[in-house]
Amino acid sequence: AQKITQTQPGMFVQEKEAVTLDCTYDTSDPSYGLFWYKQPSSGEMIFLIYQGSYDQQNATEGRYSLNFQKARKSANLVISASQLGDSAMYFCAMKGETSGSRLTFGEGTQLTVNP
Amino acid sequence: EPEVTQTPSHQVTQMGQEVILRCVPISNHLYFYWYRQILGQKVEFLVSFYNNEISEKSEIFDDQFSVERPDGSNFTLKIRSTKLEDSAMYFCASREGNGGDEQYFGPGTRLTVT
Repeated sequence: AQKITQTQPGMFVQEKEAVTLDCTYDTSDPSYGLFWYKQPSSGEMIFLIYQGSYDQQNATEGRYSLNFQKARKSANLVISASQLGDSAMYFCAMKGETSGSRLTFGEGTQLTVNP
Repeated sequence: EPEVTQTPSHQVTQMGQEVILRCVPISNHLYFYWYRQILGQKVEFLVSFYNNEISEKSEIFDDQFSVERPDGSNFTLKIRSTKLEDSAMYFCASREGNGGDEQYFGPGTRLTVT
């Protein structure tokens, strides 16, 4: 079974600053994938970034990067140069080898970007 | 850019009624999913579908639920006899397969059972 833990229910950041959203995971699968999704107040789920457990480098997508520390079982999302439009709920999720392709989600972190 | 679409965006129904939620996955994707999110809670997996059959389902996906791909584009979730606790946002997602792990979500259908 997989478990995702997001310990920050809410985070605040000033516009143009960087912010790190924490995610730790637990799995016994040797191969797994980690995902981050953004959910604005309108409700849709927007895929941001993906990291495979065997990927040698940390994933990056524009202003998003994933700080993957396998030994610590953490997959933190870093958003650089925050924008007001980044205010949203952010969910970390994972897929494990033995759980098929279902995603297991964390509780989410509500990010607020202040002007 | 291709996207997953869902209809309706909001459905209100009375307890005991049947509802069908509709999704059009991204056209070249092979794997399809339904998830739900009860208000204020995390997203939960319901079912996955591949090659015209269910490949996995969660304990939530009981006999009240069914999925179907009636034609080459639509993917539906049916709830036979809705309960108050079925009120949630229901998300459809699709995945390309062929090495692609990313699941792309639709905008969701908010189901309200009264």
